[in-house]
Amino acid sequence: DGGITQSPKYLFRKEGQNVTLSCEQNLNHDAMYWYRQDPGQGLRLIYYSQIVNDFQKGDIAEGYSVSREKKESFPLTVTSAQKNPTAFYLCASNHKAGDYYGYTFGSGTRLTVV
Amino acid sequence: GEDVEQSLFLSVREGDSSVINCTYTDSSSTYLYWYKQEPGAGLQLLTYIFSNMDMKQDQRLTVLLNKKDKHLSLRIADTQTGDSAIYFCAERPSGTYKYIFGTGTRLKVLA
Repeated sequence: DGGITQSPKYLFRKEGQNVTLSCEQNLNHDAMYWYRQDPGQGLRLIYYSQIVNDFQKGDIAEGYSVSREKKESFPLTVTSAQKNPTAFYLCASNHKAGDYYGYTFGSGTRLTVV
Repeated sequence: GEDVEQSLFLSVREGDSSVINCTYTDSSSTYLYWYKQEPGAGLQLLTYIFSNMDMKQDQRLTVLLNKKDKHLSLRIADTQTGDSAIYFCAERPSGTYKYIFGTGTRLKVLA
């Protein structure tokens, strides 16, 4: 079955460390997205990519970095510059056009700073 | 602006109907969506409506769209405890495939 796989489900980061969250899809979707979810704040867009080797900043990109070397993969690195990284991170994907089925979401990664 | 607004909380009794409201701002939006998020999980697409429709029904779910007022609602009939979750509305403005999500409404169903 096609879908999006996020790993790990839980991640703990020490102060000053960089960590990378994995997102892989086998839906042949063109576009991929990273969102951050905090209680009571809905979803905030971090980065998105419409095509391989290209990506754009979302609303809260500071302290994060991404790469899109393959269509299937869109890893997110939370750097030490992100001052408050504890949150639930969601990856999503969709087709470029004509896709009324909306986004497909992964099951999320909960990142905690210890 | 690009704000999609929802009320934060809704509480209903089991068996009653739930109505979750959403106001969006981009009149060019082609598709509008409702997603459900259960605790600790990703978002699951519940239903969508095309902008030239007024209503869409899918089993216990009814979506109403008032394009003039940019108002979208989701009615859940015979609400069950398993419907307890956060519900997000989202719009897809014309010319983009980047969606704009609301803040989410937490639905609590009381037994």
